[in-house]
Amino acid sequence: EADIYQTPRYLVIGTGKKITLECSQTMGHDKMYWYQQDPGMELHLIHYSYGVNSTEKGDLSSESTVSRIRTEHFPLTLESARPSHTSQYLCASSELRESYNEQFFGPGTRLTVL
Amino acid sequence: QQPVQSPQAVILREGEDAVINCSSSKALYSVHWYRQKHGEAPVFLMILLKGGEQKGHEKISASFNEKKQQSSLYLTASQLSYSGTYFCGTQTGAGSYQLTFGKGTKLSVIP
Repeated sequence: EADIYQTPRYLVIGTGKKITLECSQTMGHDKMYWYQQDPGMELHLIHYSYGVNSTEKGDLSSESTVSRIRTEHFPLTLESARPSHTSQYLCASSELRESYNEQFFGPGTRLTVL
Repeated sequence: QQPVQSPQAVILREGEDAVINCSSSKALYSVHWYRQKHGEAPVFLMILLKGGEQKGHEKISASFNEKKQQSSLYLTASQLSYSGTYFCGTQTGAGSYQLTFGKGTKLSVIP
């Protein structure tokens, strides 16, 4: 069973607030990802990391930022939340190898910005 | 380029079979399949690699046609627990670890 955790699970916050969504994994995976998913829709990659001190933007433009100071931790930050940021944010991780690099997903954070 | 999944939705009775397709306009290195139940995180089902290798659950089968840039997921003798949205994720190169996901196929299994 995958050991990847996200907190908080649910967050309702006002416009303009700074928020950080936490993601941690205990599998020692080098690769980590952040996806944004609206209800009933597909997953959009917004950030990923190959390892410590490595971060890249994904296919979907996002106003969020990420950091990777430790292998197990990949937090996502929104400096100033807006209603358009309302969505579910899923964190995932995988091993750094060419084959069989299946991704393990955390339970997600459902964010509502009022 | 986002892969295209078909059908968008399907309703099955318990015991019936279904096929979900995923096609890409780009050459693919691998195809991943995930299932997501309502309110839950996606769960890995299967990965198919260029060259014929695959890894996944015993009760799930899938195919990968490299020339046609297509993959199909076969669900046989469906059970109520198969209900959910199935996503394919495509990887275009060995060094490109990112997946691009399709819009999903919503599968509902009814008694």
